[in-house]
Amino acid sequence: GAVVSQHPSRVICKSGTSVKIECRSLDFQATTMFWYRQFPKQSLMLMATSNEGSKATYEQGVEKDKFLINHASLTLSTLTVTSAHPEDSSFYICSASTSGANVLTFGAGSRLTVL
Amino acid sequence: GIQVEQSPPDLILQEGANSTLRCNFSDSVNNLQWFHQNPWGQLINLFYIPSGTKQNGRLSATTVATERYSLLYISSSQTTDSGVYFCAVEVTGGGNKLTFGTGTQLKVEL
Repeated sequence: GAVVSQHPSRVICKSGTSVKIECRSLDFQATTMFWYRQFPKQSLMLMATSNEGSKATYEQGVEKDKFLINHASLTLSTLTVTSAHPEDSSFYICSASTSGANVLTFGAGSRLTVL
Repeated sequence: GIQVEQSPPDLILQEGANSTLRCNFSDSVNNLQWFHQNPWGQLINLFYIPSGTKQNGRLSATTVATERYSLLYISSSQTTDSGVYFCAVEVTGGGNKLTFGTGTQLKVEL
C-alpha cells in the first residue's frame, strides 16, 4: 500500500531557529500534499495544501512567511518553521494523495518542541 | 466552514465490550473517512465510507449522508483498540481537503 515517510519524528530546537520537516511519498507520486498541526488533546487542523510545482495554499490564520512549504517534486514536500517560538511546539503531520485518489495516506508525524 | 462533531468525547470500556462512536457533520460531503490515531500519533485509515455500510473484522461503519452522520461500531473491544478515533470529511468540491472531527478518546481496560 501507499507509504508516506516523515522526518524527523522528533526535533527539539532553540527559540529563534528554523526547523525543516520532510514528507516523502515512498511508492507513489503525490500530486498533492497536506500539512496538518495537532496540539495536545486536540484535533488535526489543516495548515496548507501544496501541489507539486506551484505555491502552497494556506488556510486562514496560518502565516505563510512563518511556515514555508515547498513541493519541488512529486515525492517530496517540506515544511520549514522559521524563527520558531515555544508556541509553535506541536505535532505536525503530512498527508499525500495521488490524482483521483479518494483516500489520503498520512505520515507518522513530527513532534516539534521549541525551548 | 463545515463543522464536524464527534461523540462521546471520551469513552472507557472493559475488554470485550461493544461501542458505537458517532460523527455528525453540518454540510454535504463526498468523502468521509474514519481514522484511528495510536498513542504514538500515527493515523491509520479504518474506512473510506461516504455512504453505506462497510465491515472489516471487529469494526464496521455506516454513513447516512442524507442525514449527515456516520457511526463506527467496535465489537469485542481489545486493549489495542485504545487511542483516538477521528472522522474526517471532505466537502463536495473540496479537492481532497479533509476536515477532522473533534475526536473520541477511547481507553479499553482489562
